[in-house]
Amino acid sequence: RKEVEQDPGPFNVPEGATVAFNCTYSNSASQSFFWYRQDCRKEPKLLMSVYSSGNEDGRFTAQLNRASQYISLLIRDSKLSDSATYLCVVNANTGFQKLVFGTGTRLLVSP
Amino acid sequence: DVKVTQSSRYLVKRTGEKVFLECVQDMDHENMFWYRQDPGLGLRLIYFSYDVKMKEKGDIPEGYSVSREKKERFSLILESASTNQTSMYLCASRTGVGEQYFGPGTRLTVT
Repeated sequence: RKEVEQDPGPFNVPEGATVAFNCTYSNSASQSFFWYRQDCRKEPKLLMSVYSSGNEDGRFTAQLNRASQYISLLIRDSKLSDSATYLCVVNANTGFQKLVFGTGTRLLVSP
Repeated sequence: DVKVTQSSRYLVKRTGEKVFLECVQDMDHENMFWYRQDPGLGLRLIYFSYDVKMKEKGDIPEGYSVSREKKERFSLILESASTNQTSMYLCASRTGVGEQYFGPGTRLTVT
């Protein structure tokens, strides 16, 4: 089983739609969780951290469910510029705090 | 503004050549990483370093070595390039458990 699993998509949505991605992780001892965004042919960049209580940043909301070992990302009022690949990232909680990246979920927002 | 730079955006090498990929960061980060990214496999950690002259194997170190003689510079070496090392190589740095910053990537083709 992969340490971090995501639906690769693509998710095709119209502008203004709400879309949600889930990600599951296998290591129950993981402590830190993140969503990174990667545009086509660009490097990944941190979108937001995911806290136990959930957190919101503008149109983006991240949630953590430790019992079921998944994290989610909700995007409201999708914009064309949201088109990208969203990477779920988990801290492996080893001595070095290695990050484990999912393979990403591709989002395409159309006019 | 954190900057991670990589020596080349695109590189074409022949099988058996020794290849050097250079990465420099300007934010005094202790930790530096080399990943490769392949379609369907996501980001996989090759090597990392948590201090000058220190290095640790990641998940796929075979066929690679690294060098970190100065804090800001982390080099990835392909001792004898092979076609299965054709990939996108991404360098990253971070301090402690903070945000991880990536370089723009080097797309390496081995023919």
